[in-house]
Amino acid sequence: EVQLLESGGGLVQPGGSLRLSCAASGFIFRNHAMHWVRQAPGKGLEWVSRITGYGGNTYYADSVKGRFTISRDNSKNTLYLQMDSLRAEDTAIYYCAQDVVGATTPVSTLTWGQGTMVTVSS
Amino acid sequence: IQMTQTPSSLSASVGDRVIITCRASQTISNYLNWYQQKPGKAPKLLISAASSSQSGVPSRFSGSGYGTDFTLTISSLQPEDFATYYCQQSFSSLYTFGQGTKLETK
Repeated sequence: EVQLLESGGGLVQPGGSLRLSCAASGFIFRNHAMHWVRQAPGKGLEWVSRITGYGGNTYYADSVKGRFTISRDNSKNTLYLQMDSLRAEDTAIYYCAQDVVGATTPVSTLTWGQGTMVTVSS
Repeated sequence: IQMTQTPSSLSASVGDRVIITCRASQTISNYLNWYQQKPGKAPKLLISAASSSQSGVPSRFSGSGYGTDFTLTISSLQPEDFATYYCQQSFSSLYTFGQGTKLETK
């Protein structure tokens, strides 16, 4: 069974930094791209970032580019999100998600963790 | 790629047929998924590749579409279906979601 366990959330002041972690189990971690998706209180889902299986390629939403860094340690089956220069609008639940390519089609879907809350406030 | 989902909210009754639409700003073939989210929970995958239902998802849920226009249909709304639904494209390396459709009890 796939398990994704996020940690590292909390309260941080504007301009501060935080690093989120996602411990993965139940699948061959290095074989899957991984994502971070966030959801501000009472709002919709916003895709944040993606990293390929061996970490060679990373992608970011415009809203976080230059401030957030996604990375992974395949020896530890762990995904990270380094968040710098945090703003109030970064306040959200941050979900870690596994990218799963379809068995019969190349369409990828997401399998989700339970999320960790990040609050940016003074 | 921008995903425009309509309506943003919908009041309906048990037994109603409900249709939610999702439009992509450019063609995405069938790289379109639908998720259901209930309060306090992570999203759950309902439909992948525009029309493939996931194992365990009730047959009242169906998806269709190709290119830029897609629909999620609930044939006969049940009490447990009141939730928020999101479309999501995985055609681009930068995934995007629709704004969500909140299904509420009429």
